[in-house]
Amino acid sequence: DTGVSQDPRHKITKRGQNVTFRCDPISEHNRLYWYRQTLGQGPEFLTYFQNEAQLEKSRLLSDRFSAERPKGSFSTLEIQRTEQGDSAMYLCASSLKETGSFGPGTRLLVL
Amino acid sequence: AQSVTQLGSHVSVSEGALVLLRCNYSSSVPPYLFWYVQYPNQGLQLLLKYTSAATLVKGINGFEAEFKKSETSFHLTKPSAHMSDAAEYFCAVSVGFQGAQKLVFGQGTRLTINP
Repeated sequence: DTGVSQDPRHKITKRGQNVTFRCDPISEHNRLYWYRQTLGQGPEFLTYFQNEAQLEKSRLLSDRFSAERPKGSFSTLEIQRTEQGDSAMYLCASSLKETGSFGPGTRLLVL
Repeated sequence: AQSVTQLGSHVSVSEGALVLLRCNYSSSVPPYLFWYVQYPNQGLQLLLKYTSAATLVKGINGFEAEFKKSETSFHLTKPSAHMSDAAEYFCAVSVGFQGAQKLVFGQGTRLTINP
């Protein structure tokens, strides 16, 4: 069990640029979740995959955000036309049953 | 809708003293409840979870929490604080949907340990 990994760990970008984050879940986990955590707040749910199917998206996930999990393994989260309000920690988690394991997160700073 | 309230955004205790972090939940169904710890610039680590078995749940690093349905509480305690316990702590309730469990988190409590 190598744990959930995320890449990159840190990303600085200019407003208006596109960014993509990757999450590699624990290999046997069929469920994958994305959360966003802003400074001083608890994480907020963004979206959920079971295998390759995206089964739920939060209202927080505007049309500038898109997530994929093409082969039911790793997942990507893309943010188009980034805004300063997108600055946050993006956390990925994976699970088999009710308790997931979280990755270390990708910290995004939009200048 | 399920929700969690953590009382006190910042708690400070002396090394060796009792740690008490408060969490109250709201849920229309029997809840699954969790406590996570987050160290600076790191992800979340599960401390313990309640899934409708024993009401007193023991976790890692000497932490435990008691589920009290009458008080809708799930407070986290540790008898004797250690400097390494300084971190951000999050209480969460799970919301079941489509066979999965998404978590609704509280705003967190920052724990500071004084030498």
